[in-house]
Amino acid sequence: DTAVSQTPKYLVTQMGNDKSIKCEQNLGHDTMYWYKQDSKKFLKIMFSYNNKELIINETVPNRFSPKSPDKAHLNLHINSLELGDSAVYFCASSQEFTGSYNSPLHFGNGTRLTVT
Amino acid sequence: SQQGEEDPQALSIQEGENATMNCSYKTSINNLQWYRQNSGRGLVHLILIRSNEREKHSGRLRVTLDTSKKSSSLLITASRAADTASYFCATVTGTASKLTFGTGTRLQVTL
Repeated sequence: DTAVSQTPKYLVTQMGNDKSIKCEQNLGHDTMYWYKQDSKKFLKIMFSYNNKELIINETVPNRFSPKSPDKAHLNLHINSLELGDSAVYFCASSQEFTGSYNSPLHFGNGTRLTVT
Repeated sequence: SQQGEEDPQALSIQEGENATMNCSYKTSINNLQWYRQNSGRGLVHLILIRSNEREKHSGRLRVTLDTSKKSSSLLITASRAADTASYFCATVTGTASKLTFGTGTRLQVTL
C-alpha cells in the first residue's frame, strides 16, 4: 500500500535514554516533515526536509536530530529524553515544497512516546 | 503563537444533522486547508481552499473562506457516526513557508 509508515507505534522509555523513530514514505514525495502533537492535540512542526536537505528547523532542542538518508526516509533521533518529550510524533510527506503548500500533507499514524 | 483557532472546541450532534466548524486566523494566507484526525491515527487531508477562492465543495463537505474576516468554516452535511473525529484547519502564510495547524474541533456524532 502507498503510505507514510512510521515505527514504532508506541515507545515507552526512561528519562535520559536515547531513542529513534523511523519514517518511510513510498509516495515518491520530495518533502518530509516531523510534527509533534501534545496532550492538548496541538500540532507543531519540528523539521522539514526537501530532497534530503533540511529546510525548516523550528526552535527544537538540539537533543532532537533528524536524519534523511534518502528522500523516502526521515528518521528522528532523540538524545537524553526528558519527561516533557512525551507526546505523539507524526511524520508527514508532501509532493513538493513550494512554500505555498499547494500539495497537501500525507501523515503517518504517529508514534506515541512516553517518557517515565 | 497559533495561527489558526477552531471554534467550537467540541461539538456533539446526532447522525443526520449538519456540523459546522469555524477557523479564525491572524495573518494573511496563501491557502487554508482542513484535515481530519480519527482517534489514534494521523491527519487526513480533506480540502484546500486558496486565498482567491470563496467556497469549495467535496462530497458532503463545504468550505468557505472570508479573507476580510480572516475566517473559514467547514460544513459537514448529513453527518454520520464515521465522521466522529477531530478537525483541524491549517494555514500557510506568505513569509513563514510552513503549514501551521489550529487547535482543532472535536466532533462527536451519535446514533
